[in-house]
Amino acid sequence: GEDVEQSLFLSVREGDSSVINCTYTDSSSTYLYWYKQEPGAGLQLLTYIFSNMDMKQDQRLTVLLNKKDKHLSLRIADTQTGDSAIYFCAEDSSASKIIFGSGTRLSIRP
Amino acid sequence: DTAVSQTPKYLVTQMGNDKSIKCEQNLGHDTMYWYKQDSKKFLKIMFSYNNKELIINETVPNRFSPKSPDKAHLNLHINSLELGDSAVYFCASSQPRPGGWNTEAFFGQGTRLTVV
Repeated sequence: GEDVEQSLFLSVREGDSSVINCTYTDSSSTYLYWYKQEPGAGLQLLTYIFSNMDMKQDQRLTVLLNKKDKHLSLRIADTQTGDSAIYFCAEDSSASKIIFGSGTRLSIRP
Repeated sequence: DTAVSQTPKYLVTQMGNDKSIKCEQNLGHDTMYWYKQDSKKFLKIMFSYNNKELIINETVPNRFSPKSPDKAHLNLHINSLELGDSAVYFCASSQPRPGGWNTEAFFGQGTRLTVV
Protein backbone atom coordinates (compact mmCIF):
# COMPACT_ATOMS: atom_id res chain seq x y z
CA GLY A 1 0.00 0.00 0.00
CA GLU A 2 0.93 3.62 0.04
CA ASP A 3 2.09 4.75 3.41
CA VAL A 4 4.61 7.32 4.48
CA GLU A 5 5.40 6.97 8.15
CA GLN A 6 6.86 9.40 10.64
CA SER A 7 6.98 9.59 14.40
CA LEU A 8 4.43 12.07 15.68
CA PHE A 9 6.47 14.08 18.16
CA LEU A 10 10.04 15.27 18.69
CA SER A 11 11.32 17.54 21.43
CA VAL A 12 14.81 19.03 21.33
CA ARG A 13 16.73 21.60 23.29
CA GLU A 14 17.39 24.96 21.63
CA GLY A 15 20.75 24.90 19.89
CA ASP A 16 20.83 21.12 19.49
CA SER A 17 20.29 19.28 16.23
CA SER A 18 16.89 17.84 15.36
CA VAL A 19 16.58 14.70 13.31
CA ILE A 20 13.21 13.82 11.85
CA ASN A 21 12.85 10.41 10.27
CA CYS A 22 10.52 9.08 7.63
CA THR A 23 9.96 5.79 5.82
CA TYR A 24 8.17 5.56 2.51
CA THR A 25 6.85 2.68 0.46
CA ASP A 26 7.02 3.49 -3.22
CA SER A 27 10.50 2.48 -4.38
CA SER A 28 9.89 4.17 -7.71
CA SER A 29 9.38 7.60 -6.12
CA THR A 30 11.64 10.00 -7.92
CA TYR A 31 11.42 12.97 -5.61
CA LEU A 32 11.09 13.10 -1.85
CA TYR A 33 10.09 16.27 -0.05
CA TRP A 34 10.13 17.90 3.33
CA TYR A 35 7.41 20.41 4.08
CA LYS A 36 7.00 22.66 7.10
CA GLN A 37 3.65 23.71 8.53
CA GLU A 38 3.54 26.50 11.08
CA PRO A 39 0.42 26.97 13.25
CA GLY A 40 -2.57 28.14 11.24
CA ALA A 41 -0.66 28.16 7.96
CA GLY A 42 -0.37 26.11 4.82
CA LEU A 43 2.49 23.82 3.97
CA GLN A 44 5.71 25.28 2.65
CA LEU A 45 8.35 23.32 0.85
CA LEU A 46 11.57 23.23 2.85
CA THR A 47 13.72 21.08 0.65
CA TYR A 48 13.61 18.06 -1.59
CA ILE A 49 15.96 15.34 -2.78
CA PHE A 50 16.15 13.48 -6.03
CA SER A 51 16.14 9.73 -5.65
CA ASN A 52 19.60 9.23 -7.14
CA MET A 53 21.16 11.35 -4.40
CA ASP A 54 22.22 10.19 -0.94
CA MET A 55 22.49 13.55 0.69
CA LYS A 56 21.56 17.14 0.17
CA GLN A 57 22.64 20.06 2.31
CA ASP A 58 20.98 23.46 2.37
CA GLN A 59 22.26 25.81 5.08
CA ARG A 60 21.06 24.33 8.40
CA LEU A 61 19.15 21.54 6.70
CA THR A 62 20.61 18.16 5.73
CA VAL A 63 18.56 15.51 3.99
CA LEU A 64 19.76 11.92 3.98
CA LEU A 65 18.23 9.30 1.73
CA ASN A 66 18.70 5.55 2.09
CA LYS A 67 16.94 4.24 -0.96
CA LYS A 68 17.56 0.58 -0.10
CA ASP A 69 15.72 0.94 3.20
CA LYS A 70 13.32 3.60 1.87
CA HIS A 71 14.35 5.86 4.70
CA LEU A 72 14.55 9.63 4.58
CA SER A 73 15.69 11.96 7.31
CA LEU A 74 15.83 15.69 7.87
CA ARG A 75 18.45 17.13 10.16
CA ILE A 76 18.10 20.70 11.38
CA ALA A 77 21.32 22.02 12.87
CA ASP A 78 21.31 24.57 15.71
CA THR A 79 17.54 24.28 16.22
CA GLN A 80 15.85 27.58 17.02
CA THR A 81 12.45 28.42 18.48
CA GLY A 82 11.32 29.48 15.00
CA ASP A 83 11.79 25.90 13.88
CA SER A 84 8.79 24.83 15.99
CA ALA A 85 6.32 23.43 13.50
CA ILE A 86 4.99 20.23 12.02
CA TYR A 87 7.28 18.66 9.45
CA PHE A 88 5.83 16.49 6.73
CA CYS A 89 7.73 14.03 4.63
CA ALA A 90 6.20 13.40 1.20
CA GLU A 91 6.89 11.14 -1.73
CA ASP A 92 6.05 11.69 -5.35
CA SER A 93 4.48 8.32 -5.97
CA SER A 94 4.27 6.65 -9.34
CA ALA A 95 0.49 6.99 -9.10
CA SER A 96 0.88 10.64 -10.07
CA LYS A 97 0.13 11.96 -6.63
CA ILE A 98 2.09 13.30 -3.73
CA ILE A 99 1.63 11.25 -0.57
CA PHE A 100 2.29 12.79 2.81
CA GLY A 101 3.38 11.29 6.07
CA SER A 102 1.49 11.92 9.28
CA GLY A 103 3.74 14.83 10.21
CA THR A 104 6.20 15.21 13.10
CA ARG A 105 5.50 17.95 15.59
CA LEU A 106 8.83 19.51 16.57
CA SER A 107 8.90 21.38 19.85
CA ILE A 108 11.86 23.31 21.18
CA ARG A 109 12.68 23.55 24.87
CA PRO A 110 14.93 26.26 26.31
CA ASP B 1 1.13 37.88 -5.51
CA THR B 2 -0.29 34.68 -3.98
CA ALA B 3 0.53 31.54 -5.94
CA VAL B 4 -2.31 29.34 -4.67
CA SER B 5 -5.25 31.10 -3.07
CA GLN B 6 -8.30 29.62 -1.41
CA THR B 7 -11.49 31.25 -0.25
CA PRO B 8 -12.88 31.44 2.29
CA LYS B 9 -10.22 31.03 4.96
CA TYR B 10 -12.81 30.16 7.58
CA LEU B 11 -16.23 28.62 7.10
CA VAL B 12 -18.70 27.87 9.87
CA THR B 13 -21.95 26.27 8.84
CA GLN B 14 -24.75 24.07 10.10
CA MET B 15 -25.18 20.38 9.45
CA GLY B 16 -27.10 19.65 6.30
CA ASN B 17 -26.01 22.78 4.46
CA ASP B 18 -24.22 22.85 1.10
CA LYS B 19 -21.04 24.87 0.79
CA SER B 20 -18.25 25.53 -1.69
CA ILE B 21 -14.56 26.30 -1.31
CA LYS B 22 -12.75 27.96 -4.19
CA CYS B 23 -9.17 27.60 -5.26
CA GLU B 24 -7.12 29.39 -7.85
CA GLN B 25 -3.47 29.07 -8.83
CA ASN B 26 -1.46 31.49 -10.96
CA LEU B 27 1.56 29.24 -11.41
CA GLY B 28 0.49 27.82 -14.75
CA HIS B 29 0.45 24.31 -13.27
CA ASP B 30 -1.53 21.56 -14.93
CA THR B 31 -2.27 19.55 -11.78
CA MET B 32 -4.37 20.63 -8.82
CA TYR B 33 -5.29 18.79 -5.64
CA TRP B 34 -7.56 18.89 -2.66
CA TYR B 35 -6.20 17.58 0.62
CA LYS B 36 -8.03 17.18 3.92
CA GLN B 37 -6.18 17.71 7.19
CA ASP B 38 -7.94 16.30 10.20
CA SER B 39 -7.69 17.31 13.85
CA LYS B 40 -4.64 15.09 14.31
CA LYS B 41 -2.95 16.93 11.42
CA PHE B 42 -3.02 13.91 9.12
CA LEU B 43 -3.01 15.10 5.53
CA LYS B 44 -4.89 12.94 3.05
CA ILE B 45 -5.37 13.46 -0.64
CA MET B 46 -8.99 13.69 -1.75
CA PHE B 47 -8.87 14.57 -5.43
CA SER B 48 -6.40 15.34 -8.14
CA TYR B 49 -7.13 17.03 -11.45
CA ASN B 50 -4.84 17.29 -14.43
CA ASN B 51 -5.76 19.91 -16.98
CA LYS B 52 -9.40 19.96 -15.86
CA GLU B 53 -9.72 16.19 -15.84
CA LEU B 54 -10.20 14.11 -12.72
CA ILE B 55 -7.30 11.67 -12.33
CA ILE B 56 -7.48 10.70 -8.67
CA ASN B 57 -10.55 10.26 -6.52
CA GLU B 58 -9.67 8.72 -3.20
CA THR B 59 -12.27 7.16 -0.96
CA VAL B 60 -14.31 10.30 -0.47
CA PRO B 61 -18.11 10.42 0.03
CA ASN B 62 -19.94 11.47 -3.10
CA ARG B 63 -21.25 14.47 -1.15
CA PHE B 64 -17.90 15.98 -2.13
CA SER B 65 -17.79 17.10 -5.73
CA PRO B 66 -14.80 18.88 -7.22
CA LYS B 67 -15.24 21.09 -10.23
CA SER B 68 -12.51 22.44 -12.47
CA PRO B 69 -13.81 25.09 -14.88
CA ASP B 70 -10.27 25.63 -16.20
CA LYS B 71 -6.84 24.40 -15.25
CA ALA B 72 -6.21 27.37 -12.95
CA HIS B 73 -9.25 26.66 -10.78
CA LEU B 74 -10.38 23.71 -8.73
CA ASN B 75 -13.41 24.24 -6.54
CA LEU B 76 -14.78 21.87 -3.93
CA HIS B 77 -18.49 21.63 -3.36
CA ILE B 78 -19.82 19.75 -0.34
CA ASN B 79 -23.45 18.73 -0.02
CA SER B 80 -25.33 17.85 3.16
CA LEU B 81 -22.47 18.76 5.47
CA GLU B 82 -21.84 16.49 8.45
CA LEU B 83 -20.03 17.07 11.73
CA GLY B 84 -17.24 14.76 10.58
CA ASP B 85 -16.50 17.04 7.65
CA SER B 86 -14.99 19.58 10.05
CA ALA B 87 -11.34 19.87 9.07
CA VAL B 88 -8.89 22.10 7.26
CA TYR B 89 -9.02 21.68 3.50
CA PHE B 90 -5.95 22.52 1.47
CA CYS B 91 -5.75 23.16 -2.20
CA ALA B 92 -2.43 22.59 -3.94
CA SER B 93 -0.95 22.58 -7.42
CA SER B 94 2.04 21.04 -9.11
CA GLN B 95 3.40 20.48 -12.58
CA PRO B 96 3.68 17.02 -14.12
CA ARG B 97 7.09 15.86 -15.22
CA PRO B 98 7.79 13.30 -17.92
CA GLY B 99 7.27 9.82 -16.53
CA GLY B 100 4.15 10.65 -14.55
CA TRP B 101 5.78 12.30 -11.55
CA ASN B 102 5.19 15.82 -10.37
CA THR B 103 7.14 18.81 -9.21
CA GLU B 104 6.72 19.81 -5.60
CA ALA B 105 3.26 20.92 -4.59
CA PHE B 106 2.49 24.51 -3.72
CA PHE B 107 -0.22 24.88 -1.11
CA GLY B 108 -2.90 27.39 -0.36
CA GLN B 109 -3.34 28.68 3.18
CA GLY B 110 -6.17 26.29 3.92
CA THR B 111 -9.88 26.64 4.64
CA ARG B 112 -10.94 25.77 8.16
CA LEU B 113 -14.40 24.27 7.90
CA THR B 114 -16.41 23.90 11.09
CA VAL B 115 -19.76 22.15 10.94
CA VAL B 116 -22.02 22.76 13.91
